[in-house]
Amino acid sequence: QSALTQPASVSGSPGQSITISCTGTSSDVGGYNYVSWYQQHPGKAPKLMIYDVSNRPSGVSNRFSGSKSGNTASLTISGLQAEDEADYYCSSYTSSSTLVFGTGTKVTVL
Amino acid sequence: EVQLVESGGGLVQPGGSLRLSCAASGFTFSSYSMNWVRQAPGKGLEWVSYISSSSSTIYYADSVKGRFTISRDNAKNSLYLQMNSLRAEDTAVYYCARDFTYYYGSGFDPWGQGTLVTVSS
Repeated sequence: QSALTQPASVSGSPGQSITISCTGTSSDVGGYNYVSWYQQHPGKAPKLMIYDVSNRPSGVSNRFSGSKSGNTASLTISGLQAEDEADYYCSSYTSSSTLVFGTGTKVTVL
Repeated sequence: EVQLVESGGGLVQPGGSLRLSCAASGFTFSSYSMNWVRQAPGKGLEWVSYISSSSSTIYYADSVKGRFTISRDNAKNSLYLQMNSLRAEDTAVYYCARDFTYYYGSGFDPWGQGTLVTVSS
């Protein structure tokens, strides 16, 4: 199972909106509504930000939103803040009953 | 407070074995499926294995199938990963992570703090 494809880096100024893409196939992202997104700060464990494509766990800011179109899922961060600077990973259930992560995206707040 | 605490990491020679443990607290462990996820130094996340709440369903990534064994003891609120025939490419921080909801694939939350496994001679 190959990793899902994410851009290596995305940047934006405070207050702006950015979108991170996560591209897979019809055997993973496109075939199921089981896409999740994680935020990871250096030296820390990942934190769940979005589950089931577009749902936010309690306590996660509504500045984070998720969507999916075909084989590509997206995470949008609106009103970018300094604390959003981190690595972000998508994940999807697959037709092999396994789970696969994306390659990861480093978000930089300019 | 919901908490997961891993232990058992360390330095092991290629071909060696190691057993990781994950102690759960603050929630009904026996009701949730669990996973192991690893992250090689400076690299991305890689899902390793899944075990259902009753241990009736288990899945592995192809990279560890036949070498790693996941298990759990609901009476002890503990998750385990037995790692055999270790290779240099198994070097990583290993996290245990709970399924966020009651169904597989819904996402992982919470995560433990991780335990480092280094495979080197």
